[in-house]
Amino acid sequence: EVQLLESGGGLVQPGGSLRLSCAASGFIFSTYDMSWVRQAPGKGLEWVSTISDSGGRTHYADSVKGRFTISRDKSKNTLDLQMNSLRAEDTAIYYCAKDARYCSRTSCYSSDWGRGTLVTVSS
Amino acid sequence: EIVLTQSPGTLSLSPGERATLSCRASQSVSSSYLVWYQQKPGQAPRLLIYGTSSRATGIPDRFSGDGSGTDFTLTISRLEPEDFAVYYCQQYGNSPRTFGQGTKVEIK
Repeated sequence: EVQLLESGGGLVQPGGSLRLSCAASGFIFSTYDMSWVRQAPGKGLEWVSTISDSGGRTHYADSVKGRFTISRDKSKNTLDLQMNSLRAEDTAIYYCAKDARYCSRTSCYSSDWGRGTLVTVSS
Repeated sequence: EIVLTQSPGTLSLSPGERATLSCRASQSVSSSYLVWYQQKPGQAPRLLIYGTSSRATGIPDRFSGDGSGTDFTLTISRLEPEDFAVYYCQQYGNSPRTFGQGTKVEIK
């Protein structure tokens, strides 16, 4: 059974930093692309970032490019999201997600999701 | 980027009724690369349909998807109590992947 467990959320001031982590189990972590998707309170879903199975390719939404960095550790089966220069509009639940095996050439969808971790950016 | 518009915003129905949810794209979705998710309060999204019409593992056959180009539909043939939730469509034919704003299916 796929399990994805996020941690690291919390309250941070505008301009501050936070590092989210996701512990993955129940599948061969090194063979799947992984993503972060967020959901602002009472709002819809927004893709944030994706990292390839090898970690060699990363993609970011324009809204976080230059501020967030996605990474993965295949020895620990963990996915991380380093978030810098945080803004109020980054307040959301952040979901760790396992991307599907078969996708398009340019994008994908997520077949499994964690329960999320809440990030609140406020003074 | 492709904008997905879902309608209606809220659908009020009774258990046993048929639900039809719409997802319209601002431009054609390549090769019908469209999925549907279900989300219940306080829970993560759950994959229902991928590739426009293929049910994900464990999804009951009362859920079906259809469509092509810019118009896609999720149908729930007979609503069960556990089906009342918010449903999102998402396209993955173009980068970035984008989501619709959601349709809430509520008990009438």
